[in-house]
Amino acid sequence: QLQLQESGPGLVKPSETVSLTCSVSGGSISGSTYYWGWIRQPPGKGLEWIGSIYNRGNTYYNPSLKSRVTISVDTSKNQFSLRLSSVTAADTAVYSCARHGWGSSDWDWGQGTLVTVSS
Amino acid sequence: QTVVTQEPSFSVSPGGTVTLTCGLTSGSVSTGHSPNWFHQTPGQTPRTLIYSTNTRSSGVPDRFSGSILGNKAALTITGAQADDESNYYCVLYTGSGIVFGGGTRLTVL
Repeated sequence: QLQLQESGPGLVKPSETVSLTCSVSGGSISGSTYYWGWIRQPPGKGLEWIGSIYNRGNTYYNPSLKSRVTISVDTSKNQFSLRLSSVTAADTAVYSCARHGWGSSDWDWGQGTLVTVSS
Repeated sequence: QTVVTQEPSFSVSPGGTVTLTCGLTSGSVSTGHSPNWFHQTPGQTPRTLIYSTNTRSSGVPDRFSGSILGNKAALTITGAQADDESNYYCVLYTGSGIVFGGGTRLTVL
């Protein structure tokens, strides 16, 4: 059974870069026909797609975040990562990783990790 | 910027039928957007109900159905039950990427 687990710092200072990793078990990222994505949800608010990576290198980003986001894959560790730069309090959210298709399949989600931006 | 619209809240009586919709501020929703529907209870991860407009995810009861109604995607729940009370999110796949709607808070009372 596919499992995804996010890891990273729970607290980040404003203007810094937050780096999160999603470890995948029960399935291989390498050669997968799925997308591997990041989604966030500010406390008490809705879901926002951050971006996804496909086929080891093709990346797709939310236009509103594109200038600050980098998603990459480490197939040797079966992990993919998110870097979000120049964070502000508005970036405080639960960040979740997921495996998904492009509309034509289920999403499999990690449990999510809360990232708080505060000095 | 692509904005996906949903009703902020909706109420249905137990046993009743409710249709939630998912639109675009600019343009019409079509099957080409592959509408997905998720539901999420507080503190839980989202769960896929519908993908590709009208395909139910494994284990989802057939009282949940997806469709295109006019220029919007729609999620219809028939025979609403108390545990259907949840937040429902629509997702569209666009040229700008994946766009989530703001969600509909469904109350069953």
